[in-house]
Amino acid sequence: IQMTQFPSSVSASVGDRVTITCRASQGLSNWLAWYQQRPGQAPKLLIYAASSLQSGVPSRFSGSGSGTDFTLTISSLQPEDSATYYCQQANSFPRYTFGQGTKLEIK
Amino acid sequence: QVQVVQSGAEVKKPGASVKVSCKASGYPFTKYYVHWVRQAPGQGLQWMGLIDPSGGNTNYAQKFQGRVTLTRDTSTSTTYMELRSLRSEDTAVYYCARDRGSPRGTFDYWGQGTPVTVSS
Repeated sequence: IQMTQFPSSVSASVGDRVTITCRASQGLSNWLAWYQQRPGQAPKLLIYAASSLQSGVPSRFSGSGSGTDFTLTISSLQPEDSATYYCQQANSFPRYTFGQGTKLEIK
Repeated sequence: QVQVVQSGAEVKKPGASVKVSCKASGYPFTKYYVHWVRQAPGQGLQWMGLIDPSGGNTNYAQKFQGRVTLTRDTSTSTTYMELRSLRSEDTAVYYCARDRGSPRGTFDYWGQGTPVTVSS
């Protein structure tokens, strides 16, 4: 299953609402996760099952979608949200694949 | 608390093998799959394979079939990733990650990463 994210990069200001999109080459139901990776760090799980917030993740992060189209939304951008975001399909056990990433920069 | 700690950086010559360890603590080791994911410099994330620590069953990405072996030691709650016949394209940071279990295939705790450099 191929995962395509867009945009590949985005620049936004503190307080802005940011949306990142992920499209799958075939239907995933809701088997989709989102990760945040800051430079030099391991990825961090943000969202699982398309819309469930991982424990400890700020509520400004939310996920939606099902089937082939999914979105990650940050409702009010904070400086610490500068990172690369990846979607990952968990539908085709055990052949898991990631999107190519979206780099988010703070203006 | 859950912790996942990997072994340190490695430098290898082309054709050699590397074995990276991943030690888990803070949860019942045999109840959660462990995955391995790699990231080449400036690139995205690539799933390599998984191991079920309970019985040792494994599944590998087709790209790495025949070159990678995942094993585990339940006495020390450690999983191992061995990659053979290394080439320069294998230069990457290698991560292990715990499968959340519900839903399966989501990675909730990650190791810090092990940089592997392949160079003559």
